Amino acid sequence: QLQLQESGPGLVKPSGTLSLVCSVSGDSINGSRYNWGWIRQSPGKLEWIATHYSSGNTYYNPSLKSRVTISVDTSKNQFSLKLNSVTAADTSVYYCARLAYSRGWYWFDPWGQGTLVTVSS
Amino acid sequence: DIQMTQSPSSLSASVGDRVTITCRASQNIDKFLNWYQQKPGKAPKVLIYAASSLHSGVPSRFSGSGSGTDFTLTITSLQPEDFATYYCQQSYSTPQTFGQGTNVDFK
Repeated sequence: QLQLQESGPGLVKPSGTLSLVCSVSGDSINGSRYNWGWIRQSPGKLEWIATHYSSGNTYYNPSLKSRVTISVDTSKNQFSLKLNSVTAADTSVYYCARLAYSRGWYWFDPWGQGTLVTVSS
Repeated sequence: DIQMTQSPSSLSASVGDRVTITCRASQNIDKFLNWYQQKPGKAPKVLIYAASSLHSGVPSRFSGSGSGTDFTLTITSLQPEDFATYYCQQSYSTPQTFGQGTNVDFK
């Protein structure tokens, strides 16, 4: 059974870099048609951040594009998120998830348990 | 960006009730619409993908319908474990966007 687990600092200083890792277990991260993403949630609001497709293409939310990077490390069966120049507005629960695919349809499943990142000095 | 608007924002219901949640997209998204359930302190879980396809393991009391701009999630007989917040999400175009959520609580 595929499982995802986020890890990283829970507190980041303003103007610093938020760095999170998602560890994948139960299958290889390099499987065909496996796509990986990050989503964040501030009180009640879900926001898609980025997706890395099995093709190697990456897509970012335009509202964050200048500050965000998603990458995959197949040797560690992990993928990561970096968000630069953070402010208090980036305080959220961050989730990693697989972007599942079937017959042209995409949905996020499964999700990691989420990790709270607070931006504060 | 495609805006997703859910209604109602919250509703109160009893066990056994039929519950309907609506999601409207700001433009045509065909059937690229997913529904998720989230319980407090937990990650969202997919219920329905492609507007009407029941995800594996999801009880058959959940169903989805619609295409284009108007979609519905229906729970035919609400169970105690169904009290949660429900979100719709469009996967038609980047950025993928979510509705604001519908909280279903006890009447």
